[in-house]
Amino acid sequence: EDQVTQSPEALRLQEGESSSLNCSYTVSGLRGLFWYRQDPGKGPEFLFTLYSAGEEKEKERLKATLTKKESFLHITAPKPEDSATYLCAVQARNTDKLIFGTGTRLQVFP
Amino acid sequence: EPEVTQTPSHQVTQMGQEVILRCVPISNHLYFYWYRQILGQKVEFLVSFYNNEISEKSEIFDDQFSVERPDGSNFTLKIRSTKLEDSAMYFCASNLATDTQYFGPGTRLTVL
Repeated sequence: EDQVTQSPEALRLQEGESSSLNCSYTVSGLRGLFWYRQDPGKGPEFLFTLYSAGEEKEKERLKATLTKKESFLHITAPKPEDSATYLCAVQARNTDKLIFGTGTRLQVFP
Repeated sequence: EPEVTQTPSHQVTQMGQEVILRCVPISNHLYFYWYRQILGQKVEFLVSFYNNEISEKSEIFDDQFSVERPDGSNFTLKIRSTKLEDSAMYFCASNLATDTQYFGPGTRLTVL
């Protein structure tokens, strides 16, 4: 069964304190892995798509990497406005649906 | 920047009533989706829609649910007889091809 596990469930960081969020997945043929940001009461906001092991994508303070079993979202020198829940989702071949993890709730304190 | 919009933002209904949730996908997109998120839980896939027909649906999407694209811009989700357990955030998403899905802000459905 295709599934996604994210860790940690929650993460508290001081402003400027870099860290990484993990997304482990099992899927019957990966079509794509997606990172989204979700603010409370809002819809998922797209961050990155990764398609193959070794691929990396970067945007401002965020960098996403992918291996055959997991993906990491690295946050460098975070700011309070980076506080949100970060969702990982996978899409298997021959399907359009996204399978989401439970997310990592990130809080960045000044 | 184009975005997916959804109305209403919050819908309160009585158990057993029918509700229709509305979405306007990004204008040139061809694939449309509904997901839901029960409070504190994962985002779950409900249904995908392409070329005026359902292309895939989950076990959650039973006979109480239906989707429609009544015109060139709207995409709707109907729940015929709501249950307490239907209370959730419902998200519409769209994409041009089977790539990155862009989500709307959601409709919070509360069934009393």
